[in-house]
Order: sequence, then C-alpha cells, then structure tokens
Amino acid sequence: SYELTQPPSVSVSPGQTASITCSGDKLGDKYVCWYQQKPGQSPVLVIYQNNKRPSGIPERFSGSNSGNTATLTISGTQAMDEADYYCQAWDSSVAFGGGTKLTVL
Amino acid sequence: EVQLVESGGGLVQPGGSLRLSCSASRFRFSSYWMTWVRQAPGKGLEWVANIKQDGREKYYVDSVKGRFTISRDNTKNSLYLQMNSLRGEDTAVYYCASWNGDYVAFDIWGQGTLVTVSS
Repeated sequence: SYELTQPPSVSVSPGQTASITCSGDKLGDKYVCWYQQKPGQSPVLVIYQNNKRPSGIPERFSGSNSGNTATLTISGTQAMDEADYYCQAWDSSVAFGGGTKLTVL
Repeated sequence: EVQLVESGGGLVQPGGSLRLSCSASRFRFSSYWMTWVRQAPGKGLEWVANIKQDGREKYYVDSVKGRFTISRDNTKNSLYLQMNSLRGEDTAVYYCASWNGDYVAFDIWGQGTLVTVSS
C-alpha cells in the first residue's frame, strides 16, 4: 500500500506562516488533497487537486506538490486554524497521511 | 444543506456483528462513489471501503476483507457497512464520505458513528 508521511506536529505563532509537509514516492505525479479536523468534528476538505480551494475555504490556505513532497501552507495563521491536518492521495487505493497537529501559540 | 448522517454504531462484543447506515439528503447520492473511513481513538484516518455508483465495484482495506461488506441502496439514498467478526482493533468512529471525482477528494463527510468492540 502507498505510504504518506507527515510530521506529527507543527507549531506556529499567530499571524505567521505554517507549512505542513506530506511525503510519498513520486507524490508529485499524483493529486493531493488536504483535510482539516478539529477536535470532535468531522474532517473538512481545505485543498484539492494539490492547490485548489473549495468554496468557503479562506484564501490563506494554499497547497503545492512537486517531486516527493506536497505542502499545505497557511498564511497569516489564526487561532481558529489550530487542528489536525491530513493529506490524502490516490494510488491503487486511498492513502491518508498520519496527520499533523497544528498548534497556534 | 447537503448532509450525510451515519447511524448504527454502539458497543459490541468481540466476534459480534454490527450494521452501519449512512443516509444522504439534498445530495445526488446515486452519482457518487461512496466510502467508509474510520478513525480509532486518538489516531488518524483510515480508508475502509468504497463502492461505485451502481454498486457493482467494491474495494476494501486488507484488514477488513472477508469480514466487512459495503453496500448501497440508491432508491433510499443510503449506504451501509455490514461488519462481522468484529475485533478490538475495529473500535473507531466510522465516517461515510462522498468521493468527488472532479476534485479527486472526499468533499462531503458525515458526523461519524462510534463503534466500540469490547467484552
């Protein structure tokens, strides 16, 4: 099965830029999406097709994907962005990264 | 508002069975691949199974093959997961989600239903 690797945790100060990486073999050849999950809530899609935002997702969320690494970037991070973030790609089946806990402090 | 609502979770003994349901509303259910994703307590997301629009193609993660069966009833806008021979490691919140082929992503998620396998 295809493996996606994320750092367990990332910390950022309010107003600064947070970057969360997701690594996988030749990941740049695949579409990557990102989900945000707050405690006790369902995941919410924040980025699809590497760098597109669904309706209602703030512009401060952006994404990129090249080589073996995809990156979710949150510019001007706000306290409300504190959550777990999961990357996901499709290989022969659905693959999720292990998740990254974003702390805003 | 588009909505997916899961039900059927609960406490079950090891070796037991449970059937989860997911009801879709204000949503073109029959047009989408549908999926079950689970999340063990304090852990990450794990894809469990998915099913094509007409129900003729089904795929499962290796750990549930032969024990779980995904199905759907498009006339009732409903998705199901029959879980047999349950194990402790199946304890999780189970989410149903729709696969958006244009997005290549799960764009709609239910609120989840908790399955606890314990004696």
